[in-house]
Amino acid sequence: DQQVKQNSPSLSVQEGRISILNCDYTNSMFDYFLWYKKYPAEGPTFLISISSIKDKNEDGRFTVFLNKSAKHLSLHIVPSQPGDSAVYFCAASRIQGAQKLVFGQGTRLTINP
Amino acid sequence: GAVVSQHPSWVICKSGTSVKIECRSLDFQATTMFWYRQFPKQSLMLMATSNEGSKATYEQGVEKDKFLINHASLTLSTLTVTSAHPEDSSFYICSAIGLAGPYEQYFGPGTRLTVT
Repeated sequence: DQQVKQNSPSLSVQEGRISILNCDYTNSMFDYFLWYKKYPAEGPTFLISISSIKDKNEDGRFTVFLNKSAKHLSLHIVPSQPGDSAVYFCAASRIQGAQKLVFGQGTRLTINP
Repeated sequence: GAVVSQHPSWVICKSGTSVKIECRSLDFQATTMFWYRQFPKQSLMLMATSNEGSKATYEQGVEKDKFLINHASLTLSTLTVTSAHPEDSSFYICSAIGLAGPYEQYFGPGTRLTVT
């Protein structure tokens, strides 16, 4: 049972444009969501998070949107840069902190110059 | 800040031998550490959660006698793969959460294990 789903295995975006990565979840008990960026043979790097009491969180070029009624979140990167090319994982947990994370399958983002 | 290291970064071992992987939080004290494994082109799957000074909690389907986890201090957790077999070949990643923050999980760089 895949509780966190990233339905797009890959995404290709022109440099300077907006990248939008999507994530859906099924467990209504999740109330904390995170995005991680991962390069091959490296551990994931934390990007941005959002708790269920918010519908938007912004940090520089990265913005995460949460639609609780649709059980959907998205990560917007604008403007996209070549260094953003990586695999992006969304993750969810029941509470912030020590609870385990459930990861999506990941989306490979490629930024074309 | 929030740096997690792993050692070794890669290891090759023969079937039947044991391998120990270390996970350290370098600049914060980690009350909880997590161990994941990732197969090629797949997601990260949680194997176990370890809290300092107590027994690890294993996810369903993970053999606790095969994957021994020790969290002896607030900065170190170890994963020992015992009697390794080729199917144990994978990318093992640890993460940590701080006693007083950071409250997001910060990941180590991972360890590539190849069992021949």
